Amino acid sequence: QKEVEQDPGPLSVPEGAIVSLNCTYSNSAFQYFMWYRQYSRKGPELLMYTYSSGNKEDGRFTAQVDKSSKYISLFIRDSQPSDSATYLCAMKLGNFGNEKLTFGTGTRLTIIP
Amino acid sequence: ETGVTQSPTHLIKTRGQQVTLRCSSQSGHNTVSWYQQALGQGPQFIFQYYREEENGRGNFPPRFSGLQFPNYSSELNVNALELDDSALYLCASSMAVGEKLFFGSGTQLSVL
Repeated sequence: QKEVEQDPGPLSVPEGAIVSLNCTYSNSAFQYFMWYRQYSRKGPELLMYTYSSGNKEDGRFTAQVDKSSKYISLFIRDSQPSDSATYLCAMKLGNFGNEKLTFGTGTRLTIIP
Repeated sequence: ETGVTQSPTHLIKTRGQQVTLRCSSQSGHNTVSWYQQALGQGPQFIFQYYREEENGRGNFPPRFSGLQFPNYSSELNVNALELDDSALYLCASSMAVGEKLFFGSGTQLSVL
């Protein structure tokens, strides 16, 4: 069993729809949670960075963490064609100096105009 | 732009050869990490360097090695290349250990 599970998709939704992307994890020691967006032939771009359980909002993006269920989500409101990309969840342990990020496999998202 | 640049963008090697990939971080970013991303997979942690010393390593064999230099540049070296080494190699830097990671665009390595 992988430490981080993510539905690879692909996921296609019409422009303006709300998108929900999810990851589950098995290691309860993960303390930091991130969402990255990766366009084709580019490196991952950090979208959201959270620590505690609950919601964090940034513009059209909302990250949700539920540590009790070991489940994280990214919501995209009013989706745009420019949001078409692969979305990667990533997690990190809490001990200082251990900088390894563990990634999900990524979900390929297409927003249809 | 993240300020992290990698070279070359693409590289083709044959099995058994050696390769060196390069990364230039933003000024002031004293931590650099390297990741391997196979097609259709998430990035896998190779190792991290902090102030020119290795500071954590993932599940990669010793033929993967690195260097970090005082001018915020770094290298990933891979010896005795295998077909499975074909992947996108990503460099990521941060201001300090524990800070957010910013990725470069990667080097696409093909081993034939």
